Amino acid sequence: ELQLVESGGAMVQPGGSLRLSCAVSGFTLEDYTMHWVRQAPGKGLEWVSLIKWDGVSTYYADSVKGRFTISRDDSENSLYLQMNSLRTEDTALYYCAKEGVTPREGYYDGSGNYLKQYYYYMDVWGKGTTVTVSS
Amino acid sequence: EIVLTQSPGTLSLSPGERATLSCRASQSVNGSSLSWYQQKPGQAPRLLIYGTFTGATGVPDKFRGSGSGTDFTLTIDSLEPEDFAVYYCQQYADSPPRYTFGQGTKLEIK
Repeated sequence: ELQLVESGGAMVQPGGSLRLSCAVSGFTLEDYTMHWVRQAPGKGLEWVSLIKWDGVSTYYADSVKGRFTISRDDSENSLYLQMNSLRTEDTALYYCAKEGVTPREGYYDGSGNYLKQYYYYMDVWGKGTTVTVSS
Repeated sequence: EIVLTQSPGTLSLSPGERATLSCRASQSVNGSSLSWYQQKPGQAPRLLIYGTFTGATGVPDKFRGSGSGTDFTLTIDSLEPEDFAVYYCQQYADSPPRYTFGQGTKLEIK
């Protein structure tokens, strides 16, 4: 069974730091792109960050760029989110999610090269861990 | 950056009725990147539809996705009590890679 279990959420003061963890079981992190998604109390979903299957390429929402760092430990099969310079607006339930990829029909470019195409989505989610930033 | 706007914000229907949820993008979206999720109170989101049309594993056929360009729709046939939840559309962009969610539609029992 594919499972994601987040931990590390806590109450922290503005300007503080926190490190979230996501323990993965049932699949190998190296094979998939992984995401952090957050949900402020009573609000919708906001994509936060992703780390590609290569473990090197990372991307961030503008709202967290320069403050948050996503990483993973393949030996532990765990995903992390280091959050620095926390703000009250970072208060949220933080989910980790696995990216699903399904091949779809590709196409030939102008040079005759066949370009593979894929569907991308988030198919496995953890239950989340709560971060509260408050003085 | 593409903005997804869902309507209505709240949809009140009775069991047995059909629900039609809309997701409009601020610019044309590659349909292969459009997904729908269901979220019940206290639970994580659940993938329903990806690539605009394709049902995720284990999702009943009553959930149908459609649309293209800037207008996408999630249709839920013959509503059952367990279908009342919040529904989000989501779009994937690949340069740079990022995801965007709509603000959600709450489907409530009338």
